[in-house]
Amino acid sequence: DQQVKQNSPSLSVQEGRISILNCDYTNSMFDYFLWYKKYPAEGPTFLISISSIKDKNEDGRFTVFLNKSAKHLSLHIVPSQPGDSAVYFCAASMDSNYQLIWGAGTKLIIKP
Amino acid sequence: DAGITQSPRHKVTETGTPVTLRCHQTENHRYMYWYRQDPGHGLRLIHYSYGVKDTDKGEVSDGYSVSRSKTEDFLLTLESATSSQTSVYFCAIMRGTGELFFGEGSRLTVL
Repeated sequence: DQQVKQNSPSLSVQEGRISILNCDYTNSMFDYFLWYKKYPAEGPTFLISISSIKDKNEDGRFTVFLNKSAKHLSLHIVPSQPGDSAVYFCAASMDSNYQLIWGAGTKLIIKP
Repeated sequence: DAGITQSPRHKVTETGTPVTLRCHQTENHRYMYWYRQDPGHGLRLIHYSYGVKDTDKGEVSDGYSVSRSKTEDFLLTLESATSSQTSVYFCAIMRGTGELFFGEGSRLTVL
C-alpha cells in the first residue's frame, strides 16, 4: 500500500521548456511535502518543500503546487536545463513525525 | 564540507556473512536514519535513531540491526547477509523540519 505515488517512472522534456513532475498521496494526515533530486552515485539532495497550509511555494526555477482536495502535488521546473536531468523523489510527513514516506521516483531527462 | 560520511562506499560479500555499514556525522544532529534504495521502491526506511542508544524500526527492518553509542556514529548491521539485501544504503540526518541531508550511499552486493 503505497501512500505516496509517483506514477510516471520517467519524463523527457526539451531544454528550455517546462518540466512538470507529479505526485499523489493517500493519507490526508500528511502535512509537509518535500521534493528531492538525485544524481547517479550520489545521495538525494533537498530541493523544495511545502506545508499543507500553503498551496504554492517557489524557489527560483522551482515551484511546488499542492492541491489538498485532490491529494496531489506537482513540481514545476521552468526553464528546464540539462543539469536538471536526475531522478526526482517526492516525500511526505505527518505532524511531529520525523519519518518521511517516499514515492518511487521519476527520472527526468532534459533533451538538448 | 561532507557533513555525513558513509563507509564502506562499496562492498561485495557472500550470503551468510555479517556486514556493518558505518555512518558518521560532523553536525551533532539528534536524528539519524538508514534507508535502502531499490528500483521501483524509492527510499525505504530501515531504522532510525533519535538519540544515543535510542533507535526504532522503520518499514523494512527485518534482517537489520542498528546501534548508536555516540551522537556522531550510527551503525547498520546485517547479521547474516542475504541476496535480497543487495541494495544501495543511504544514511541521513535531520537538519531542518522534515529536511533530510543524505550521505553518498554504500553499495552492497551479496552473492
